[in-house]
Amino acid sequence: AQSVTQPDIHITVSEGASLELRCNYSYGATPYLFWYVQSPGQGLQLLLKYFSGDTLVQGIKGFEAEFKRSQSSFNLRKPSVHWSDAAEYFCAVGALMDSNYQLIWGAGTKLIIKP
Amino acid sequence: ETGVTQSPTHLIKTRGQQVTLRCSSQSGHNTVSWYQQALGQGPQFIFQYYREEENGRGNFPPRFSGLQFPNYSSELNVNALELDDSALYLCASSRLLAGVTTDTQYFGPGTRLTVL
Repeated sequence: AQSVTQPDIHITVSEGASLELRCNYSYGATPYLFWYVQSPGQGLQLLLKYFSGDTLVQGIKGFEAEFKRSQSSFNLRKPSVHWSDAAEYFCAVGALMDSNYQLIWGAGTKLIIKP
Repeated sequence: ETGVTQSPTHLIKTRGQQVTLRCSSQSGHNTVSWYQQALGQGPQFIFQYYREEENGRGNFPPRFSGLQFPNYSSELNVNALELDDSALYLCASSRLLAGVTTDTQYFGPGTRLTVL
């Protein structure tokens, strides 16, 4: 069955340090992959997406993600985090389920920034 | 270009009541998807609407129903509310191309529903 795993429920990072959020997926075909960010009480904002082509994808706010087919992973990275990056981050896979396209979501990783 | 909007922002209902949530899609988009996000969890797909018809449904009971209008806006209706229906309800719009929504989904700010 299709699924998305974000193994880290919380991650704490010092401001200015680098960040990597993990995402693993289970899907039989080539997936469409997404990272969204959600601030408290807000909707979801798209950070970046991978459909095909270059496996290193650049997004907004200085984020990037790398698709690794062999590891079924799509980890999100940022070289230097800012306090404003504190939020919850969701990885999602676009998949065909019962002939309909759906987004399948991970449970999210809450990013906490230490001053 | 206007983004996705949802109304109301917050709503409090009691168990057994009915509720209607509304969503206006982004300009140029023809598909609306609805998600339920319980506290501390990722979104769960409820259903999708295209050309005023349901175009896919997640694992939600029939008391969750929807409509899409000719201007591509949409409603989510929930009958016989239960306590577990308390959640953030998110609407996302996208473009359906060649029968498959491969385009990106853009989300509204959500409606926070509390069932007492």
